[in-house]
Amino acid sequence: QVQLQESGPGLVKPSETLSLTCSVSGGSVTSDNFHWSWIRQPPGKGLEWIGSISYSGTTNYNPSLKSRVTISPDTSKNRFSLKLHSVTAADTALYYCAREGYGDSRGAFDIWGQGTMVTVSS
Amino acid sequence: DIQMTQSPSTLSASVGDTVTIACRASQSLGSWLAWYQQKPGKAPELLIYKASTLESGVPSRFSGSGSGTEFTLTITSLQPDDFATYYCQQYNIYSSFGQGTRLEIK
Repeated sequence: QVQLQESGPGLVKPSETLSLTCSVSGGSVTSDNFHWSWIRQPPGKGLEWIGSISYSGTTNYNPSLKSRVTISPDTSKNRFSLKLHSVTAADTALYYCAREGYGDSRGAFDIWGQGTMVTVSS
Repeated sequence: DIQMTQSPSTLSASVGDTVTIACRASQSLGSWLAWYQQKPGKAPELLIYKASTLESGVPSRFSGSGSGTEFTLTITSLQPDDFATYYCQQYNIYSSFGQGTRLEIK
């Protein structure tokens, strides 16, 4: 049973870099042909896909965030990370990591972490 | 970017009712559309992918249809556990979500 767990600071100052990690248990980020994503949800609002990384390390980013986002693997610890640079209050959100399915469900998110709240404030 | 528009934003219904939620895309998706259910304080859960394929373990009262730019999620014989917020998501070009439909008890 694959499980995901987000971790990282809950408070980030404006203009600084938000850094989160998603730890994967019960599966491997580099095998099984799965892709892994970050998705966020501002308080009381809808979902926004941030970007993804494949099992081979290929990344794709939301065009609206691409200039500020880096997603990278940490294969030695079976996890992947998110860095969002130059944050503002608009980046305050609940951040989820999620696994994409495979085959016809490649691109749909079949397993999610519980989410971690990040507030951008001085 | 592909814009996803759901309607209605809020839907009031009673236990036992059948409800339909619509999702429209700004360009054709083929069948690359998924539906999720989200309850307060919880992560979304995948219900349907490829427009009409039920995710394993999801009750058969949930069904999806559509292709191209028009899609629907139908829930028959509503159960108390079904009152939640529902999102559509396109995964034809990158990924984007609809704004959500809150299904509330009438």
